[in-house]
Amino acid sequence: DAGVIQSPRHEVTEMGQEVTLRCKPISGHDYLFWYRQTMMRGLELLIYFNNNVPIDDSGMPEDRFSAKMPNASFSTLKIQPSEPRDSAVYFCASSFMGAAGELFFGEGSRLTVL
Amino acid sequence: AQSVTQLGSHVSVSEGALVLLRCNYSSSVPPYLFWYVQYPNQGLQLLLKYTSAATLVKGINGFEAEFKKSETSFHLTKPSAHMSDAAEYFCAVSGSNTGFQKLVFGTGTRLLVSP
Repeated sequence: DAGVIQSPRHEVTEMGQEVTLRCKPISGHDYLFWYRQTMMRGLELLIYFNNNVPIDDSGMPEDRFSAKMPNASFSTLKIQPSEPRDSAVYFCASSFMGAAGELFFGEGSRLTVL
Repeated sequence: AQSVTQLGSHVSVSEGALVLLRCNYSSSVPPYLFWYVQYPNQGLQLLLKYTSAATLVKGINGFEAEFKKSETSFHLTKPSAHMSDAAEYFCAVSGSNTGFQKLVFGTGTRLLVSP
């Protein structure tokens, strides 16, 4: 089975531009998580979904960030407008009820905002 | 609320030496505890997890960890380091108040293995 698939793997953009990161979870998984990793702040949970419904978005930094999960096989994380401090690696992970916290991570999307 | 503290951002060992990576947790509810490993330019993958059954947990690649409630610790060990163990290791905690799904990660410990 394919793992969690994220795109793009690398994105370089200029401040003020809109950025959209995409994630396809593992088929059959009903939880989806977006994490951000930086040297300064480590791994931060931004938002997670259960059965396509956002459960906890308390980690979303500000209104410039939004996440959607229109169906069980696709999620997006959007930043508009982007700022240099948004530069980070963004990870998507999926899991399922009964996995007891075992997350399956994608390879990440490295975002650089100039 | 849950949190973990990883002592030491970098740990250096020689190949064949004991590996010990330290993690202490704080949780207001009985915790589940995890160790994840991250190789360069990759996502995290689960090494092992404690889910309130046996306190000594064995994982992949010869790693194990022991849950010690009295010390609020969940240290990761491996008897003999291999060059391929060089990576970053993350301790994480979750609680029943979030269905054990919401993991809080530590800041990570980079393991360096020299020949």
